[in-house]
Formats: sequence, structure tokens, C-alpha cells
Amino acid sequence: EDQVTQSPEALRLQEGESSSLNCSYTVSGLRGLFWYRQDPGKGPEFLFTLYSAGEEKEKERLKATLIKKESFLHITAPKPEDSATYLCAVQAGGQNFVFGPGTRLSVLP
Amino acid sequence: NAGVTQTPKFRVLKTGQSMTLLCAQDMNHEYMYWYRQDPGMGLRLIHYSVGEGTTAKGEVPDGYNVSRLKKQNFLLGLESAAPSQTSVYFCASRDRGTARSGNTIYFGEGSWLTVV
Repeated sequence: EDQVTQSPEALRLQEGESSSLNCSYTVSGLRGLFWYRQDPGKGPEFLFTLYSAGEEKEKERLKATLIKKESFLHITAPKPEDSATYLCAVQAGGQNFVFGPGTRLSVLP
Repeated sequence: NAGVTQTPKFRVLKTGQSMTLLCAQDMNHEYMYWYRQDPGMGLRLIHYSVGEGTTAKGEVPDGYNVSRLKKQNFLLGLESAAPSQTSVYFCASRDRGTARSGNTIYFGEGSWLTVV
């Protein structure tokens, strides 16, 4: 069964304390791995798409890396405005997009 | 640029009532989706459409119906609401894409539905 897991479930950081979020998946034939940010009461906001192992993408304080069967979202020197739930999703084929449950990040000032 | 727009944003229904959630996208996307999001379970696909006039079942389709009469609109209907359908509903869309591009799904702001 296609599955996406994310860890940790929740993470509390001090402002400036860098860390990484993990996304692991069991789908075969990966066609894309996606990271989204979701603020409370809002829809998921697209961050990155990764297609193959070794690929990296960056945006401001965020850097996403794809390794075989997992991806990391590294947050460098986070700020309170980075607090959100970060969702990972994979596309196995066709319309089969599988989403993980998310990591809830809190960055304390 | 509105992107994906959902209405209504909030609704309270009594068990057995019916309602329709409306979704409109202005990006000329081929594919449209309806997801529900429940605590700890991630986004689950209800129904989707690969083009005007087409619909298909997703992971959790029971109790819902959809229609895509126009390319830009995708409607989600609840014929007889049940408390188990209390959830946050997200409409989404994406372009047809290729193997390495255009696969990104873009989401609306969500519709909060409570069935009492």
C-alpha cells in the first residue's frame, strides 16, 4: 500500500535553531515529491517539487532534499513566521497523490 | 489572480440535509480534485476530474457526488449529510503536466463543514 509518513509529528524550536523534518514514502515509481506549508485555517501552499534522488531545492530559509525513499526539509535559522504545518506528498502515478499527516512546527521567539 | 476559490467557507448542516460546495479555478487547469482533511489523517482524495465532463472516485467517495460541467468549476455534493462528514474540504487543481513538470497541485482556502 502506498504510504507517506512524516516525523516528527510536532517540533518546537527556538528562533535561530536549525533543524530538519523528515518524509518517508513506500510508493513505487515515484513521479514527484511535494512539500507544502499549511497555516491554521488556510489551504496548503506549495513550496517545492522534487523528482529524483539527489535533487535539492531552496527557498529563503528552507531547503528540500530528496534521497531514495525519503526527503528532508531543512530549516536554517527559523523565525516565528516559519511556524506552520509542513505537508509532504508523493505522486506514484496518474492521480494517485498520497499525502502525509504533516509536521507541526512551532518557532518560539 | 484568484487561483482556486471555494464557497462557502463555513457551513453547519443538520443530519440528512444536502448541500453543494463550489470550486472555481482560473488557471485553465485540466485536473481538479476534492480532498477532505481530518486531524492526524492527512488529506484524503474524495473525487477527481481529468477534464470537463469527467469524474472519478478517489479514496473516500462514499456519501459524496461531484460534477464538472465546465472546465473551471468542480462541484462537490452531499446528498444526505452525516456527522462523519464533518471535516475541512479542500478543492485543488493542476495542469496536465509532463513527467517532470506541471504536476504540482494548487489548493483552495478550504471549506469548514460541521454536521450536527
